[in-house]
Order: sequence, then structure tokens, then C-alpha cells
Amino acid sequence: GQNIDQPTEMTATEGAIVQINCTYQTSGFNGLFWYQQHAGEAPTFLSYNVLDGLEEKGRFSSFLSRSKGYSYLLLKELQMKDSASYLCAALDTGRRALTFGSGTRLQVQP
Amino acid sequence: DADVTQTPRNRITKTGKRIMLECSQTKGHDRMYWYRQDPGLGLRLIYYSFDVKDINKGEISDGYSVSRQAQAKFSLSLESAIPNQTALYFCATSDLLGESTDTQYFGPGTRLTVL
Repeated sequence: GQNIDQPTEMTATEGAIVQINCTYQTSGFNGLFWYQQHAGEAPTFLSYNVLDGLEEKGRFSSFLSRSKGYSYLLLKELQMKDSASYLCAALDTGRRALTFGSGTRLQVQP
Repeated sequence: DADVTQTPRNRITKTGKRIMLECSQTKGHDRMYWYRQDPGLGLRLIYYSFDVKDINKGEISDGYSVSRQAQAKFSLSLESAIPNQTALYFCATSDLLGESTDTQYFGPGTRLTVL
């Protein structure tokens, strides 16, 4: 099975940088996804890491350390529209299913 | 047009009623999933299907059943709805091939309330 942990809530200021951490404990692992979900809407794909290291996509970056069971999502130049929940999800060894964490609700303040 | 659609978007029903939630996709993906989302619990997998003849139980399949009528359609049924099945239900699709392999794409969700 898989156990995914991430903080429940975070607050940050517009224009700042925020890092959302995710730790996972799994019996098998084949990659780590990050999704963004605005209240009442569908999750949308942000990033996927399968190898160790940093993946950068515009204002968003995601990092993975497989040996430490750790990932983070880095959001730069925060905007008000970044207020949302951020979901971390681990893909199992057989690439059959994702296990999601409970999500981190980020509030961006002016 | 949306790639993954769900009907209905909202439904209120009574305890004991049979309910079907439908999902259709135009992405051409083979894999389809049903999740429920409850406040503070994240997304939990109910059932998933890798093709029409391949149906698998997820973490919380009790009280639910599914039907994969075609590659593009995957339905979730609650045979006898109970109040603790009140939740937001999402359908998702993914593919094994291509640039976006394993990435799941979600429908808009169905908000179900069981009274």
C-alpha cells in the first residue's frame, strides 16, 4: 500500500515563493504527480517526476528524491489565482493506480 | 467541448435508491477511473478499468459497481444509496503511451447528496 503525507493548509503572500512538501511511504513506486484543484472543480495536472531531481515548468517546479521518499512543489511569483488545493499522488509499481494525499490548501494573500 | 464529461453534475437522492453516474471521454484513452472526494480525505479510488473486459476494484469499492460499456464510457452505480455516500465523484482517464503517459485527466465531477 501507499501512505502520502502533506500539510493541510499553507498561507503565502502574493509575489512570494512557497514550497509544498509531500512525503510518501510505499510498497512500490513508479513516479510522483502534482495536481492543482480549485474549490469545487476538477483536479488539473501540474507535473510528473519519475527520476530524482528538479523539473521546471514556468512558475512551477517539482522536485523528487526517491531515496528519501520526498517531493516538493515550488510556486514562484505567487498570484491570487494560485489559491487552490495542491494534491500529491504516487503511482504504484505496476503503473495501475494513483494514491492521493489529502491535499494542501494554499491561500494567497495580497 | 470537454474531453471528459460526467452526467449528472448534481444529484440529490434518498436512502435506498439506485443511482447511476455516467462518464464519457473523447480522448481515446484506454484507462478509466472513478474516485470519490470527501472533505479532508482527498481522492479515493473506487474502481478502475484498463479496457472493456478489465475491471478492477479500488480502495473503497464496497457499495458500488461499475460498467464499461465501450472504450469511451464508464458508469458507476450505487445499488442502494446511503447517506455516507454523499460526496463529490470524479471520473478520470489515462493512457499508457505518448508524452502524457500515466497522467490522469479528470471530468468536472458529480456532486451527489443522499438524504
